[in-house]
Amino acid sequence: QQQVKQSPQSLIVQKGGISIINCAYENTAFDYFPWYQQFPGKGPALLIAIRPDVSEKKEGRFTISFNKSAKQFSLHIMDSQPGDSATYFCAASTILTGGGNKLTFGTGTQLKVEL
Amino acid sequence: ETGVTQTPRHLVMGMTNKKSLKCEQHLGHNAMYWYKQSAKKPLELMFVYNFKEQTENNSVPSRFSPECPNSSHLFLHLHTLQPEDSALYLCASSQDGYSGTEAFFGQGTRLTVV
Repeated sequence: QQQVKQSPQSLIVQKGGISIINCAYENTAFDYFPWYQQFPGKGPALLIAIRPDVSEKKEGRFTISFNKSAKQFSLHIMDSQPGDSATYFCAASTILTGGGNKLTFGTGTQLKVEL
Repeated sequence: ETGVTQTPRHLVMGMTNKKSLKCEQHLGHNAMYWYKQSAKKPLELMFVYNFKEQTENNSVPSRFSPECPNSSHLFLHLHTLQPEDSALYLCASSQDGYSGTEAFFGQGTRLTVV
């Protein structure tokens, strides 16, 4: 059972355009929603994150929109650049009883920004 | 770099071999993780250690055996693997598991089982 559904699987955007990636979750116990960016040959790196009591968070060209009632959240990349070409993963986090966090990931979106 | 180092970067092993993956974090974190990344599938949590104690085993087959001798080092011992175990194995670390703590990932070990 996939608890975090991500779409689209791939996305091609023109330079300067807006990239939008959507995610939906089922488990209401999730309490933290990060987005990770992964370049080929690298591990995922945190891009931006949001808590469920906030509806929007913006950091530079990256914005997360969060709809708690719909259990959906999305990543918007404004003024997309070729350097943004990467795979993006949404995730949802829960705290483990014994310590540590469990991240449940979406399947990823491969973004290509063309000149 | 993220401060999480994994070795080796690439590993090819036969189904009867025994090998180990190593992870070291230099971030002073208390929690360490093993994730599996397969093509076309979500990253999947395998094991979690917090202050050297295992706090999560996500129904991982016993042919994968983790070891955490201290908060800075994490190993994944592999034996009698199957070809379907071929994947990118990622190690991560985080500060103690309060809500909103960031997980830092290593670059991964690309494992091929032949």
